[in-house]
Amino acid sequence: AQSVSQHNHHVILSEAASLELGCNYSYGGTVNLFWYVQYPGQHLQLLLKYFSGDPLVKGIKGFEAEFIKSKFSFNLRKPSVQWSDTAEYFCASTSYGNNRLAFGKGNQVVVIP
Amino acid sequence: EAGVVQSPRYKIIEKKQPVAFWCNPISGHNTLYWYLQNLGQGPELLIRYENEEAVDDSQLPKDRFSAERLKGVDSTLKIQPAELGDSAVYLCASSLENGKRTGELFFGEGSRLTVL
Repeated sequence: AQSVSQHNHHVILSEAASLELGCNYSYGGTVNLFWYVQYPGQHLQLLLKYFSGDPLVKGIKGFEAEFIKSKFSFNLRKPSVQWSDTAEYFCASTSYGNNRLAFGKGNQVVVIP
Repeated sequence: EAGVVQSPRYKIIEKKQPVAFWCNPISGHNTLYWYLQNLGQGPELLIRYENEEAVDDSQLPKDRFSAERLKGVDSTLKIQPAELGDSAVYLCASSLENGKRTGELFFGEGSRLTVL
């Protein structure tokens, strides 16, 4: 079955530091990739997505992610984080012909002012 | 535009009792999902509806869980009887697939179940 792996479940960093969250998926064919974010007390919401084309995807709030097919990865990055980026971040994927969205375990990110 | 609405937000019950969760998706969204999220884990799909048809329910524990989406709009998820291990957050999501798989889901705030 399709699966998504996220590492470093808890991340603590200071404001203005750079953030990179790793995501690896298992399916070797055509995939759609997503990052969802859940801010404290709020619902899950889409941060960015990749279907095809430019492997560098830009999302909301200064986030970007890079699809590297050879590494089965879709890492999330932000050059300079803010306190308001404190949230849980989930990587997810669907595979071609299967609309089931598989989520990773998430990264709990805490940004210290 | 109103988002996905779920109720109740919190529910505490004793084991072996029944419980039901309700979800109203975004207007016009034909696809509705129920996900289960355990503490420290990502959401896991329980069931997906396209309109009123359950098209993916392979991960729904059918011995105690049931769901329905009458008229292809709002949906209920029921657990009877509840077990201690059912304590989790139950998420509802909806999407507008329109024949094109987007994978972009809109989630509700979830219903947190505690079974004592």
